[in-house]
Parts: sequence; C-alpha cells; structure tokens
Amino acid sequence: EADIYQTPRYLVIGTGKKITLECSQTMGHDKMYWYQQDPGMELHLIHYSYGVNSTEKGDLSSESTVSRIRTEHFPLTLESARPSHTSQYLCASSDTLGEGYYGYTFGSGTRLTVV
Amino acid sequence: QQPVQSPQAVILREGEDAVINCSSSKALYSVHWYRQKHGEAPVFLMILLKGGEQKGHEKISASFNEKKQQSSLYLTASQLSYSGTYFCGTENGAGSYQLTFGKGTKLSVIP
Repeated sequence: EADIYQTPRYLVIGTGKKITLECSQTMGHDKMYWYQQDPGMELHLIHYSYGVNSTEKGDLSSESTVSRIRTEHFPLTLESARPSHTSQYLCASSDTLGEGYYGYTFGSGTRLTVV
Repeated sequence: QQPVQSPQAVILREGEDAVINCSSSKALYSVHWYRQKHGEAPVFLMILLKGGEQKGHEKISASFNEKKQQSSLYLTASQLSYSGTYFCGTENGAGSYQLTFGKGTKLSVIP
C-alpha cells in the first residue's frame, strides 16, 4: 500500500498548456522532493522542501514551480508545457524523526508527454 | 557532483554474487542505495551514515569507506527478484538531506 501518491500516472498534453502534477504523502514526513528521470537514466533533483512554506530549487534547472502549503501536499506546476518537458517526474519524501534517519519513499511517478 | 557507479551493467546466474561500487569526489555524509525495477519507482534498500551507522530493510549488505569516499553494495546468492537498476545516492553535508544519484547499475539475474 503506497504512502505517497502521485496523480496523474500518465499525462499527454499539448504545448503551451499549464499543468499541475500532484503529490501527497500520509506519513507526516517534513521533507519532500521532486526528481526528473528520463527512461533508463539517473534521477535529477529539481525541487525540494524541508517543511511548510519552505521550497528550494535543485541542481537541475527547471521551468517548473512548487508550493508547500500543507505538510502532506507538494504539487509541481508547469506554466507552459514544452516538448523538452517530456519525462518522468518522481515525488519522494523522507524524515529524520521517530526511529532515526531513513531513506526516501518514492511515489509511482507521473509520466509526462508534451506534444 | 554526481557519484560514479561501476559496473554499468552486470549479468548473473541465480546464486551468484555481485558487488556494485559508488564513488564520489566530494566528502560524503551518507550514501543511500535504491533498486528500481522497470516501470516502477525506486525502492529504498540501505543507508550508510558517516561514522558507520547502517540502516536497511532487506538482507543486503553494504560498506562505506569515508576516507576514500566510496561505498559498495554486496548482493550474495542472487535471486531473480534482484534484477533491476541499482542507484546510489550521496548526501554531501549533514542535514542537507538532498541526494545526488549516480547513473545506475543494471543488474540482470538469469535462471
């Protein structure tokens, strides 16, 4: 049973459209991340958050924006989609409370195709 | 700085062992290991912290050489279910929590 949910699972959209990829987690984790991954390739960090009202850009330059108004919700928005945005977007969360420092829990991803 | 993984790919027969290496040019605070099966999300396997603390979910062992900034993942008596791409993720500073991932090692276990 997934504790971090991403919707939609697949999305095909036209160039210039605005889209929001949803990510929600039920674990109460304070840290959340967005990674971009092309098929068979490595993961690149595009955004991260350490808690409510905290957001930072990652190593990979991205034209997307994120928000963190609630602990459990970390949506990613593309104001104007382009074919170069075609990729898989993975949301993850982690925590250092409780029993210690554990790894990331990833969502199932959103596979985005911009035509 | 992206960590370097080796080998890029390996094919094993069931029951054989494998070692996957991950090295960084920067000082490391922690190293994470994940396995990703085709079409699925990465799954956490192991975390190794500076100072030797190790936490993991599965019966897979790993080492962390802080001086050499290297980590190795040991897969013993491989099973078909071990097939997938293994990624190491490195955290450079204590409290940064951001991971930089290597390019991955594709492991195929055949009967």
